[in-house]
Amino acid sequence: EVQLVQSGAEVKKPGESLKISCEGSGYSFISYWVGWVRQMPGKGLEWMGIIYPGDSDATYSPSFQGRVTISADKSISTAYLQWNSLKASDSAMYYCARPRRGDGYTWAFDIWGQGTMVTVSS
Amino acid sequence: DIQMTQSPSSLSASVGDRVTISCRASQGVSTFLAWYQQKPGKVPSLLIYAASILQSGVPARFSGSGSGTDFTLIISSLQPEDVATYYCQEYNSAPQTFGQGTRVEIK
Repeated sequence: EVQLVQSGAEVKKPGESLKISCEGSGYSFISYWVGWVRQMPGKGLEWMGIIYPGDSDATYSPSFQGRVTISADKSISTAYLQWNSLKASDSAMYYCARPRRGDGYTWAFDIWGQGTMVTVSS
Repeated sequence: DIQMTQSPSSLSASVGDRVTISCRASQGVSTFLAWYQQKPGKVPSLLIYAASILQSGVPARFSGSGSGTDFTLIISSLQPEDVATYYCQEYNSAPQTFGQGTRVEIK
């Protein structure tokens, strides 16, 4: 079964750092891009960025560039989303997702992780 | 960046009704357009890709059409299990913007 399994919920204080993960299984992890999507409480979906685990080539939305870092460790089939200094406004559900096909990222997301809830509060 | 605008933002319809949701792109995206369904408290799931191709396992009452800048999602006969928020997404280029969502409720 093709799946993406994300790390568990996190509660952090403003200014702290955080790295959440997304492990792929059931397919060739290095052959498909992995994207990250934010959903703030009660709000819509926001595309944050995407990475190709094969060579760690990453593309970011301008809205998130410089605020987060997307990385991947192909040896353990895992992609990451990282913050160096969290803000309360980073509180949200974060999903990783995989495009339907491996030849580029111009494909719809057909596989989604279960989501990681991040709460940032003092 | 391409902006995606959905209408309406919400709607209420009766079981069996035909429901139409529109999505407009600020510039042409060919048919690089997907529709997702997100039921309350659940993970989004892919309904339609390439503007009109039904994802495997999705009921045939869902259909999509359009190309360029104007797209439509139709539910031909609304069912109680279709209560959800529906999002369009262009994936022609990064950032692959989502629409703001359309909440569908049963009247």
